[in-house]
Order: sequence, then structure tokens, then C-alpha cells
Amino acid sequence: QKEVEQDPGPLSVPEGAIVSLNCTYSNSAFQYFMWYRQYSRKGPELLMYTYSSGNKEDGRFTAQVDKSSKYISLFIRDSQPSDSATYLCAPGDNFNKFYFGSGTKLNVKP
Amino acid sequence: EPEVTQTPSHQVTQMGQEVILRCVPISNHLYFYWYRQILGQKVEFLVSFYNNEISEKSEIFDDQFSVERPDGSNFTLKIRSTKLEDSAMYFCASSPPYGTSGSDEQFFGPGTRLTVL
Repeated sequence: QKEVEQDPGPLSVPEGAIVSLNCTYSNSAFQYFMWYRQYSRKGPELLMYTYSSGNKEDGRFTAQVDKSSKYISLFIRDSQPSDSATYLCAPGDNFNKFYFGSGTKLNVKP
Repeated sequence: EPEVTQTPSHQVTQMGQEVILRCVPISNHLYFYWYRQILGQKVEFLVSFYNNEISEKSEIFDDQFSVERPDGSNFTLKIRSTKLEDSAMYFCASSPPYGTSGSDEQFFGPGTRLTVL
């Protein structure tokens, strides 16, 4: 079973839509749940992360973790064309090593 | 704003040749990482490095790979005898000391695209 599964998309939404991005994982030892954004030809950049279960909000972005079902979500409210990128979930059991999902490509149309 | 830099941006080599990929982490950072991303596939952890030692490595990081911090600014990844399947984008990342601002984040460089022919 793969460590982290993520729907590759592409996901195409109109500007202003609410976007839901999701991952599942198999390792119950994961405690840190990172979300990265990657633009074409660039390295990943950290958007936000949560520790253990629960929600975390940062502006238009909300990260959710449900450890009981091993399910990670990232919600983007009022999506903008500048949000168009590939979104990578990356859980891990410590800050030394993360397991990246394959990424979901998001396209927000003006 | 300080950033991680990597050189070269693109490296082409023949199978069996040695390559060294270079990274300059952010200056006050103490934790260093290499990842790779084969085209169309996920980002994969290779190795983490702290205090001049490997902290953790993945099963990908076999004897063909080595890392070094030859001076106070560079962090290198060497592939001893490249194979076709080593073709990928290689990302370097760094993190500041624990307890300091940004220590919960790995800052990624722009990557080096390695093509093995």
C-alpha cells in the first residue's frame, strides 16, 4: 500500500470557487501534515501544516486532519487564478522526513 | 529574502559518469535535505543531514549517493555512477535551528534537472 495517495487532477474551477484537495495516508505514526504548493519549474513552498488531528486556518486556506480515517484536506476559499499550481500533501512522523503525495494540479479560471 | 540556490539548473551527463549537484542553503540554517522528483512522479525524500552527519536516508539513497558539506556554505549531492533512472529534478532544502523562526519549515531550492543519457 502506498504511503500517501492523492488525486492528481487536474482540477479546474472558476475564480471564487471553494476548492477541496484531499489525501489519504497509511502510516498511523504520522503526526505532521504539510501542504506544499509547487509552481511549474519551481521547488515546493510550504503553505501550512497541522500537527496531529484538527483544523488550522490561515487566511483563505484551511487544513484539516482526521487521523482516525487517515484523511487530510486542504480547503481554499475564494480561489484566485494565482492559486493555480500543483498542491502536494506531505505527512511525516518527524520534521526530518516527509512522504509527498503525487500532487493535485489546480487550475483556477478567471 | 534569503533563499536556497542550486547549481547547475540543468545537468546532462552520460550513463556511468559521476555528477555533483550543488546547493547553497540559507546562511543560518543547520538542517539540510535532498529530494528528487522523477518527471510526472511524486517528490521523494533522499537524505537529511545535520551536524556533518546523515540523520536519515531513504532506500533510494544507496551506495551510489553521497552528501557532503565541504565548507560553511555549500551542500552537495554526488552520484557516483549515474544510471538512466537517475534522471530527475533534484531539490535541496534547508531548515533553521529548532526553536527559531521558520524551524518548522523546509525551504526548497529551485532544483537541478539531471538528464542521464
